[in-house]
Amino acid sequence: DAGITQSPRHKVTETGTPVTLRCHQTENHRYMYWYRQDPGHGLRLIHYSYGVKDTDKGEVSDGYSVSRSKTEDFLLTLESATSSQTSVYFCAIRTGGENEQYFGPGTRLTVT
Amino acid sequence: SQQGEEDPQALSIQEGENATMNCSYKTSINNLQWYRQNSGRGLVHLILIRSNEREKHSGRLRVTLDTSKKSSSLLITASRAADTASYFCATDAIGAQKLVFGQGTRLTINP
Repeated sequence: DAGITQSPRHKVTETGTPVTLRCHQTENHRYMYWYRQDPGHGLRLIHYSYGVKDTDKGEVSDGYSVSRSKTEDFLLTLESATSSQTSVYFCAIRTGGENEQYFGPGTRLTVT
Repeated sequence: SQQGEEDPQALSIQEGENATMNCSYKTSINNLQWYRQNSGRGLVHLILIRSNEREKHSGRLRVTLDTSKKSSSLLITASRAADTASYFCATDAIGAQKLVFGQGTRLTINP
């Protein structure tokens, strides 16, 4: 099984502060994804990466940036958190040739 | 905008009954996938059906795909309490490197 961890698992922060979420995989999967999950919206793609230093925007990328300096780590940064970014954030990796994805346990972020 | 639309949004049935949930999508796809999410957990991949397939089985799961109607259904037979979860369809569109998820169906199995 693919190993994927997210840190932190829970975070409460104040509006206007920067926040970085980390996704770590133990296998050398090329594709990594960041999603947010909100009631009534399902899962929405924020950004994804198709290799070291190779990233692209998803459906809801405004207010978020990402970085991937190593294959195993994919970082999601909220430069200045807003209350609308309160959500559960999931990282995923593509594990198969047909875009099957394996998800991390999620990070619950609350912006007060 | 979301590619997949799921129906119903919520479904409650008795243990042992069959559960059917549906997914519609908008563009041409390589494949369609179904995922399960238990409360407070990440999504788990259940089954994938390719665009040239019409039906696929995995244990108690049966998935159908109708590309002419751009729709899919997931049938869970002989439901169990452990099947209580949210189920999401996801489409892998042609030319895209990403999945687009539906809003999900919340399934409750009553003992």
